[in-house]
Amino acid sequence: AQSVTQPDIHITVSEGASLELRCNYSYGATPYLFWYVQSPGQGLQLLLKYFSGDTLVQGIKGFEAEFKRSQSSFNLRKPSVHWSDAAEYFCAVGARNQGGKLIFGQGTELSVKP
Amino acid sequence: GAVVSQHPSWVICKSGTSVKIECRSLDFQATTMFWYRQFPKQSLMLMATSNEGSKATYEQGVEKDKFLINHASLTLSTLTVTSAHPEDSSFYICSATKGTGGIDTEAFFGQGTRLTVV
Repeated sequence: AQSVTQPDIHITVSEGASLELRCNYSYGATPYLFWYVQSPGQGLQLLLKYFSGDTLVQGIKGFEAEFKRSQSSFNLRKPSVHWSDAAEYFCAVGARNQGGKLIFGQGTELSVKP
Repeated sequence: GAVVSQHPSWVICKSGTSVKIECRSLDFQATTMFWYRQFPKQSLMLMATSNEGSKATYEQGVEKDKFLINHASLTLSTLTVTSAHPEDSSFYICSATKGTGGIDTEAFFGQGTRLTVV
């Protein structure tokens, strides 16, 4: 069965520090992979996605993620965190033949300290 | 871009009443829309897949008679929570798919609806 695991429920980083949010997936074939960000009481905004090709994906707001097939991982990174990055981050997996249907990880809450 | 609008953003209803939530794709046609439920501090759980002109496909454990889904047009899907009870209180989010199902496919999310049943 498809599943997504985000091992870190809550992470706190200092403003300006680097960030890495972990995501591991379980899927029988190469999936579509996504990272979304959610502010409190709001919907989801897509940060980046991986479908195929280059395993290092660039997204909006300075985020990037790397698909590592051997580790079944799709970790999200940002070299320098801003206070406005504080939010909930969700990793998601989608099947190639079920466009738009997503399975989400548990989410990682990011706090940024001054 | 692609915009998905959900209405209302929040609603409070009395136990036993029904509530309808609308999900509209404003600038594109979406043959498929999805409904998710999110409990506080938890992830989004897929409730059902809504296809225009056909019956919705519900995920295991989701009561189809309680959560009625109608996808009457290519830009509108509705979720009706029937005979709502306090345990139905939650954050409901819809998404609409743009693309052909391949590499161009992307799901766009509404802003969510906070339902509180009292």
